Amino acid sequence: GAGVSQSPSNKVTEKGKDVELRCDPISGHTALYWYRQSLGQGLEFLIYFQGNSAPDKSGLPSDRFSAERTGGSVSTLTIQRTQQEDSAVYLCASSPMDRGPFETQYFGPGTRLLVL
Amino acid sequence: GNSVTQMEGPVTLSEEAFLTINCTYTATGYPSLFWYVQYPGEGLQLLLKATKADDKGSNKGFEATYRKETTSFHLEKGSVQVSDSAVYFCALSLNYGQNFVFGPGTRLSVLP
Repeated sequence: GAGVSQSPSNKVTEKGKDVELRCDPISGHTALYWYRQSLGQGLEFLIYFQGNSAPDKSGLPSDRFSAERTGGSVSTLTIQRTQQEDSAVYLCASSPMDRGPFETQYFGPGTRLLVL
Repeated sequence: GNSVTQMEGPVTLSEEAFLTINCTYTATGYPSLFWYVQYPGEGLQLLLKATKADDKGSNKGFEATYRKETTSFHLEKGSVQVSDSAVYFCALSLNYGQNFVFGPGTRLSVLP
């Protein structure tokens, strides 16, 4: 079946502009994660959605970052007033979470963001 | 806090060489452990996992054993191929999947 999809695949923007990144998780997956992968760095956790529970926003680096998940499916990560240090690959992952705490995450291809 | 440490890369090997990528972790509780792989131009995908101590995860010739006593989950393969060239991430999961922590990744290049 279809995997996790993300759009756009690449985004170039000017410093100070707002951007929206979209994630379509695998159908039926209740958990959704956003990560950031900066050049030469590992994966940095940003935010986690699980069903209808309040999201875990503990990884968001500043109040310029926000995310929402509508209807328990599609998620949008918004970065306001982008800065050059926001340049990175933003990865989305989903998980069915129906086998308890150890379920695998399935990753999308990522959105490569470049802030000029 | 929870953290994952991996050996620094890049690692460069000749085809058919033995591979070890070290991974150690610090966690409050009993995590599940994962290795993810990112091939050039592709997204992350699960390589293998282990959910409790002494479990061995294996896939595509790769193996890793969950060692609670040494808090390690080293990745091994007996004979690497050029197609194994990728970035490998060690990760742990706690608290019903809410806390996923990734290591920095280790880039592997296998030369023919």
